[in-house]
Amino acid sequence: DTGVSQNPRHKITKRGQNVTFRCDPISEHNRLYWYRQTLGQGPEFLTYFQNEAQLEKSRLLSDRFSAERPKGSFSTLEIQRTEQGDSAMYLCATPDRGRLSPLHFGNGTRLTVT
Amino acid sequence: QQPVQSPQAVILREGEDAVINCSSSKALYSVHWYRQKHGEAPVFLMILLKGGEQKGHDKISASFNEKKQQSSLYLTASQLSYSGTYFCGTEREGGSEKLVFGKGTKLTVNP
Repeated sequence: DTGVSQNPRHKITKRGQNVTFRCDPISEHNRLYWYRQTLGQGPEFLTYFQNEAQLEKSRLLSDRFSAERPKGSFSTLEIQRTEQGDSAMYLCATPDRGRLSPLHFGNGTRLTVT
Repeated sequence: QQPVQSPQAVILREGEDAVINCSSSKALYSVHWYRQKHGEAPVFLMILLKGGEQKGHDKISASFNEKKQQSSLYLTASQLSYSGTYFCGTEREGGSEKLVFGKGTKLTVNP
């Protein structure tokens, strides 16, 4: 158990629908990361937070993606007007402590867009 | 910016050794190694800082060559449990505190 909980575990949606994923770290880590992983690829950076502030967002991320971290605890990732290319595993990760500490990944939310 | 891993895949027999490489075209501040088994989340193995230090635990160790911006992961006397996909994640010198992962090296250890 990594202490990072993600919900839902699986999500099947039709193209054009909006979806929202949630990430809950056990304790309130300062930093929280979102990654996306497709089959046969490494995790691809999407965005990260320092407390409630979103510090960086990948240039590859379209305006259909938005993330929030109210109060610096849990985080949500929303995808609007989903496309088939959005099908992937969405991973949330938080570090043990500060910089140079291990990232603990949640088990992810697998999104399938039909 | 994405680090390049080699080889893409390795098949071993139990007890054999393997080396996985991770190279970057940018100056790195740190290199992280993770292992992911099918259907599971990536699990942390170790972190290396610039300076060429070598780290290890059990029969898995790694090094970081700052001059070459290359890290290598060494798996000695492989066990069945070592099977999985290994990813290096790199943090750039002077960059933000995010890890950029390579495409991974799939390791299969057979009896």
